[in-house]
Amino acid sequence: QVQLVESGGGVVQPGRSLRVSCAASGFTFSTYGIHWVRQAPGKGLEWVAVISYDGSNKYYADSVKGRFTISRDNSKNTLYLQMNSLRAEDTAVYYCSRESKLYYYSYAMDVWGQGTTVTVSS
Amino acid sequence: QSALTQPASVSGSPGQSITISCTGTSSDVGGYNYVSWYQQHAGKAPKLMIYDVSNRPSGVSNRFSGSKSGNTASLTISGLQAEDEADYYCSSYTSSSTLVVFGGGTKLTVL
Repeated sequence: QVQLVESGGGVVQPGRSLRVSCAASGFTFSTYGIHWVRQAPGKGLEWVAVISYDGSNKYYADSVKGRFTISRDNSKNTLYLQMNSLRAEDTAVYYCSRESKLYYYSYAMDVWGQGTTVTVSS
Repeated sequence: QSALTQPASVSGSPGQSITISCTGTSSDVGGYNYVSWYQQHAGKAPKLMIYDVSNRPSGVSNRFSGSKSGNTASLTISGLQAEDEADYYCSSYTSSSTLVVFGGGTKLTVL
C-alpha cells in the first residue's frame, strides 16, 4: 500500500545537527513532490519545506531558511531533511507528506507518514 | 501567530451541521484556489479531506464540503458523527516567500 515512513528523530543539543529521513513505498516516488510539515507539542501544523519530483526545485519556510536542507534520492525512494543550527523552537513531530498531484504542485498533501519526533534540548 | 485565522473551537450535536471558517488575505486564500482542509485525530497524522477549495479525495465522505468567498474559506460537515471529533486545519498556497501556510486549527467537539 502507499506508505511514507519517517525515521531519524531523537534528542539533540541546541546548535547541533540532525538528519531525518522518509522512506516511500507503494507508489512511483520519482513522480511526486514531497513536503515536510512539523507540529510542535500541543500546537498546530507548520509547513517546513517542499521538493519537486525531480529535486530541481526546493522551497522553505522563513523559519528554517538557511538552516534546513531538503533533498531526495529517487533511486532509493527516500526523502531527507538535514537540520543544522537547531533551536529549542525546532522541537516538533516532523511529518513527510506527498503532493496530491503528479509532477506539479497542488499544495495539498494526500499521503502522510506517522511522524518522527525531534527534541532540541541541552 | 498563524497566517490563516480559524476559530479555536466549534461544537455540534450528532446529526447537525457545522461550519469552520479560515480567513486569509488576497495573497493566499483570496487569490488562489489552492485551499485544503485536513482532519487530525489525537496522536495521529493529518488526513486530507478537501483540496482545491471544494474537491474531495476518493474515500472521503460526502458529508464534508468546502467553499470559498473572498478571503475566507469554509469547511462544512453535515450529519455530524462522533467520529468527526478531531482537530481541523486549513492550508493555502501563498505568494509570500513561504509557499504554504496553515491555519491555527479548530477543535471540533461532538456533544
